[in-house]
Formats: sequence, structure tokens, C-alpha cells
Amino acid sequence: IAGITQAPTSQILAAGRRMTLRCTQDMRHNAMYWYRQDLGLGLRLIHYSNTAGTTGKGEVPDGYSVSRANTDDFPLTLASAVPSQTSVYFCASSDSTSGSEQFFGPGTRLTVL
Amino acid sequence: AQSVTQPDIHITVSEGASLELRCNYSYGATPYLFWYVQSPGQGLQLLLKYFSGDTLVQGIKGFEAEFKRSQSSFNLRKPSVHWSDAAEYFCAVGVMDSNYQLIWGAGTKLIIKP
Repeated sequence: IAGITQAPTSQILAAGRRMTLRCTQDMRHNAMYWYRQDLGLGLRLIHYSNTAGTTGKGEVPDGYSVSRANTDDFPLTLASAVPSQTSVYFCASSDSTSGSEQFFGPGTRLTVL
Repeated sequence: AQSVTQPDIHITVSEGASLELRCNYSYGATPYLFWYVQSPGQGLQLLLKYFSGDTLVQGIKGFEAEFKRSQSSFNLRKPSVHWSDAAEYFCAVGVMDSNYQLIWGAGTKLIIKP
């Protein structure tokens, strides 16, 4: 069982380019999340999805979009990347019931120049 | 508003010494509480969690945490640290707003002195 996979592992991107970060889970979890991690700021929620077909905005959604066409996949798209989006991005999933823990992928390190 | 505070950005302890990492939360209802560990270049792994019942919770890798409602705290402890415990530790509280989500502390980086 792989758990959560993310791709790519790392990417260097020119400002203004479009980029999609991929996330796939095999645990049949209802809920999925995208976080960014920046030094000294911990984890900040970008977008989430409680179930396939629905998405919601987190703390820092601007410049990002997501879709949830099925249970397993939750891609994150940067339509026009800016240097402030340089970060490490983590995808997570959980059972959507109250009290559930989140399971994390290995992360994608993105650098926007 | 809900929040989680980890007052220590860095902590340095000697190998074999005891460890306590602090976590305070602000949440009006009974919280679900979590500690995660992140080794360098890795994702986050759950160490332990508190839902209800016994306020002293045992986790993996010899860690434990104690929930103190009166202090709104959930401090992480280990009696004797090993060099492999060097990592960043995150405290989180599970809250129900329009949806269930985790609110995260900023993390504490643990440095082990040989």
C-alpha cells in the first residue's frame, strides 16, 4: 500500500508558467487537503475537499485551484506561478469524521524564479 | 478564533536527556489533539493523538503527551532522547467549523547534542 503519492518530487519553474502538482491516495479517504510549508510558518491550508466533487478554500487559497473528480486524486494547479509560491507543498488525506488524523504525502519542493 | 502555539522555535538537548515540547491551544470545545514529527526532507508522521479518556497518551517511538484542560496544553515528552529524534515536531488541534480541519502550530525544531 503506497498511502499518498505526490509528483513531482521537486520542480523549478519560471514565473508566469502554469504548474499542476499531483496527489493520489489509495486509502479511500473522503477528505483531502493541500498545505504549503514555509520556514517559521508551519503548515498553512490552501484548499481542501471533503468528498469527491466538492472543494473548499483554506487559509491561503489565492493563486491556487483544485479539483476532485474522483476519490483518489486531488491535483493542485498554479495558473500563473509567482516567486512567493516557492514552498514545499504537502498533500494529505483523512477520513472525514471528526477527530480523524491526517496522513501526509512526501511533499513537492517548488521553486519559482 | 482557534489557534495552536508552540512557544519554542528550537530546542537543543543532549542525547540521553529528557525532553518536553510545549503546545498550547485555544478552542472553545473539547479538542482533538495531535503531535506529528517531520524528519528532514520527509512528510509528517503521526506520533500520538488524544480524543478523550485518559489524559496521558502513549505514542510511537517512546513519546507520550499529557492533556491538561485547565492549562489548555498538550505537551510532548520523552524520558531519554536519541540522536534519531532530531526532527521538527508539530502540534495540531482538530476543530469542527464549517468542516472538520486541523489547526497547526508553527513547529519546534529539536536538535540533539552528542
